[in-house]
Amino acid sequence: ETGVTQTPRHLVMGMTNKKSLKCEQHLGHNAMYWYKQSAKKPLELMFVYSLEERVENNSVPSRFSPECPNSSHLFLHLHTLQPEDSALYLCASSQDLPGADEKLFFGSGTQLSVL
Amino acid sequence: RKEVEQDPGPFNVPEGATVAFNCTYSNSASQSFFWYRQDCRKEPKLLMSVYSSGNEDGRFTAQLNRASQYISLLIRDSKLSDSATYLCVVNTGFSGGSQGNLIFGKGTKLSVKP
Repeated sequence: ETGVTQTPRHLVMGMTNKKSLKCEQHLGHNAMYWYKQSAKKPLELMFVYSLEERVENNSVPSRFSPECPNSSHLFLHLHTLQPEDSALYLCASSQDLPGADEKLFFGSGTQLSVL
Repeated sequence: RKEVEQDPGPFNVPEGATVAFNCTYSNSASQSFFWYRQDCRKEPKLLMSVYSSGNEDGRFTAQLNRASQYISLLIRDSKLSDSATYLCVVNTGFSGGSQGNLIFGKGTKLSVKP
């Protein structure tokens, strides 16, 4: 148990659905992240929040919409996804934005399938 | 050139073997470096940070060569429980100067056999 909880663990959705992924961290961290992990590809950073402010949006399509209502919670709202968006979506947190020794704590991920 | 490149896997080794993984990175301004471990169908977890002077944690030794933009991980006396994918991670920072841009390699799969 890393202290980062993601729900749901698995999600199957159609291309016209709207769903949300939820992440909660119980570690008192100030930074939270969304990563995407596709088969045979490296983890891709999608969004970074520090103290509830978005730091970076790595050219992610607008069908992915993050929300960080407070420093403990992070959401990823999904709408009109494509089959190629099927992947493992990982939430992570760190005490602050990573410097020399800052480490990421990952949640177990949401395995998303888009039909 | 990919931002972070790792040895292609998989590495299949017997118990007790010594195995080394290599990683190169393209951004010379990268600030910090890490090895993460990811078990099958699990989330990545930090294995160790990598320092310029090299660092050791039990059977694991990490080295960094900034001039060559190269990172390595050495595992001695491999155990069955070392079987996992090892991810090389580089912190390059964002264009606006903020930290936090951790770039992951694809990972190298290690399988330790009895």
